[in-house]
Amino acid sequence: DSGVTQTPKHLITATGQRVTLRCSPRSGDLSVYWYQQSLDQGLQFLIQYYNGEERAKGNILERFSAQQFPDLHSELNLSSLELGDSALYFCASSADRSGRGLYNEQFFGPGTRLTVL
Amino acid sequence: KNQVEQSPQSLIILEGKNCTLQCNYTVSPFSNLRWYKQDTGRGPVSLTIMTFSENTKSNGRYTATLDADTKQSSLHITASQLSDSASYICVVSLQTGANNLFFGTGTRLTVIP
Repeated sequence: DSGVTQTPKHLITATGQRVTLRCSPRSGDLSVYWYQQSLDQGLQFLIQYYNGEERAKGNILERFSAQQFPDLHSELNLSSLELGDSALYFCASSADRSGRGLYNEQFFGPGTRLTVL
Repeated sequence: KNQVEQSPQSLIILEGKNCTLQCNYTVSPFSNLRWYKQDTGRGPVSLTIMTFSENTKSNGRYTATLDADTKQSSLHITASQLSDSASYICVVSLQTGANNLFFGTGTRLTVIP
């Protein structure tokens, strides 16, 4: 158990809908990262938050957005969903104090499996 | 262009045998290299992390090596077990920049009895 929790575990929805994925980082971790992993694909970095502020953006679509709240939990919002958005979405957290993720290990949550029908 | 390439893409070995997975990268300036194990449908779990000054690091039956000159790393698994069946992902970090992680696509290892 990494200490990172994600809800829900599974999510099935229809095209055009909007969903929210939730992540609670390990206690004390300030950095939260979101990743997308499509079937048989590698991890794709989406976005990073550090202590409530956006720190880095990867290949995140404009239909997707995220935020980190004062209690450090984070939410990933996916809107106007398409079939191709079906994937595993992972959240990771690290104790990195600089927010740069240079040396601190990332601990991954169990993921949310999103299925868009 | 910063890239991480892993080989082979997939591998099947008999239980009890050893195997070696490869990771080549062009990421520069290099900060560190991590190997993760990802069971199907689960989040990745860190196995080892090495900086440029470290040649080798072990974690039980897993031994990672790093040659920063040739920009190559390997992950050696000794006396494989059925539970080693998973994807193994190589991740390389840049020294600078916030979006500084580069992921390989992984090697899918299957250990058969």
